[in-house]
Amino acid sequence: DGGITQSPKYLFRKEGQNVTLSCEQNLNHDAMYWYRQDPGQGLRLIYYSQIVNDFQKGDIAEGYSVSREKKESFPLTVTSAQKNPTAFYLCAAGGQGTFLVNTEAFFGQGTRLTVV
Amino acid sequence: QKEVEQDPGPLSVPEGAIVSLNCTYSNSAFQYFMWYRQYSRKGPELLMYTYSSGNKEDGRFTAQVDKSSKYISLFIRDSQPSDSATYLCAMRTYNFNKFYFGSGTKLNVKP
Repeated sequence: DGGITQSPKYLFRKEGQNVTLSCEQNLNHDAMYWYRQDPGQGLRLIYYSQIVNDFQKGDIAEGYSVSREKKESFPLTVTSAQKNPTAFYLCAAGGQGTFLVNTEAFFGQGTRLTVV
Repeated sequence: QKEVEQDPGPLSVPEGAIVSLNCTYSNSAFQYFMWYRQYSRKGPELLMYTYSSGNKEDGRFTAQVDKSSKYISLFIRDSQPSDSATYLCAMRTYNFNKFYFGSGTKLNVKP
């Protein structure tokens, strides 16, 4: 079954804790992305990675960190420095990849993070 | 000014109506245009994907791109209650891997 798998679906974090959201893809895309979605708002880009071992900050990177050690995996860590982490987090893959093949973005089903 | 503007709605129509959803953008370098449907608490799913200008049809859905006006549209014919969702437009340039999204239009199709 191909696609983007995000886990967990729901995550609860205590104040001051770091938590890591998982994103795995088997679509063989070079580029992967993390977005944050707040109620009634569009998608805001946190980080993106165009290739293994490389990533760039998006529009709202403060308080977040990522790694890209494998093509299939792009985990996002929400650190205690993120002041308002409660949101719906979406991982995506796609864009221009190897041999300049262009595709659309494909999304996972999201992780809902709540601070308790 | 945002790169991509989209009316948030909500848009409420009766079942069977033709729905028109629109986005405007400011960057003339955008060449790839997408429409996504997002149900509540789910990830966006791709509906239509077009390159450059013109029309593309897929079943009840038609996507239009007018690059001269920097305007894209999604038409839904014979709308169904199951079409009730938030619709997001997205776009990007040829050689830069960053997608720009509209804020989404919430559609409600009443039986």
